[in-house]
Amino acid sequence: DIQMTQSPSSLSASVGDRVTITCRASQSISSYLNWYQQRPGKAPKVLISAASTLQSGVPSRFSGSGSGTDFTLTISSLQPEDFAIYYCQQSYSISPITFGPGTKVDIK
Amino acid sequence: QVQLQESGPGLVKPSQTLSLTCTVSGGSISSGNYYWSWIRQPAGKGLEWIGRWFISGSTNYNPSLKSRVTISIDTSKNQFSLKLSSVTAADTAVYYCARYSSSERGENWFDPWGQGTLVTVSS
Repeated sequence: DIQMTQSPSSLSASVGDRVTITCRASQSISSYLNWYQQRPGKAPKVLISAASTLQSGVPSRFSGSGSGTDFTLTISSLQPEDFAIYYCQQSYSISPITFGPGTKVDIK
Repeated sequence: QVQLQESGPGLVKPSQTLSLTCTVSGGSISSGNYYWSWIRQPAGKGLEWIGRWFISGSTNYNPSLKSRVTISIDTSKNQFSLKLSSVTAADTAVYYCARYSSSERGENWFDPWGQGTLVTVSS
């Protein structure tokens, strides 16, 4: 299995802050990395695919970068609706498809 | 746009089989380069991929669940289903169905997702 780790596991931030979340794969996954946002009681929603491609309708304050084993999700100016849990997911291997453990972003 | 909706019993007894259905609306389950997938999430925990089905008939399952999982499709009803046998309390989770899209460059992501359905395993 390709293991995915995320750091930090949680963070507290204020509206307007720049936030960076890191995801690391246990082996190279090229750019086969997606980011999801999950608000309380809701299904996850894809934000970024292929490490850096912003999905349609996702605000431009979200950006992704990285390749190989190390990836980053950045929120340039945190908004109230951004307080949520963020997951990375590798799509390099289907045996199995794996997610990171999540990073909870809450209000400072 | 395509929407997914899970349905099925919210309570299953230990050792029995969990059965869920995902109804797809706004598009045909038989068209496009999509894999139809199940994912679960225990309360307060992360996401675990269960498996997927492709229109060719091929399936892929998480090795950790493979011996207990079956995913099947009913194209006439535009639905796909999950069966998980010999359940225990550890299978208690919110179960999501999702479409796994595939781009020409081989990139894949889950979108859209159903709203999720809580299944509790308890006697």
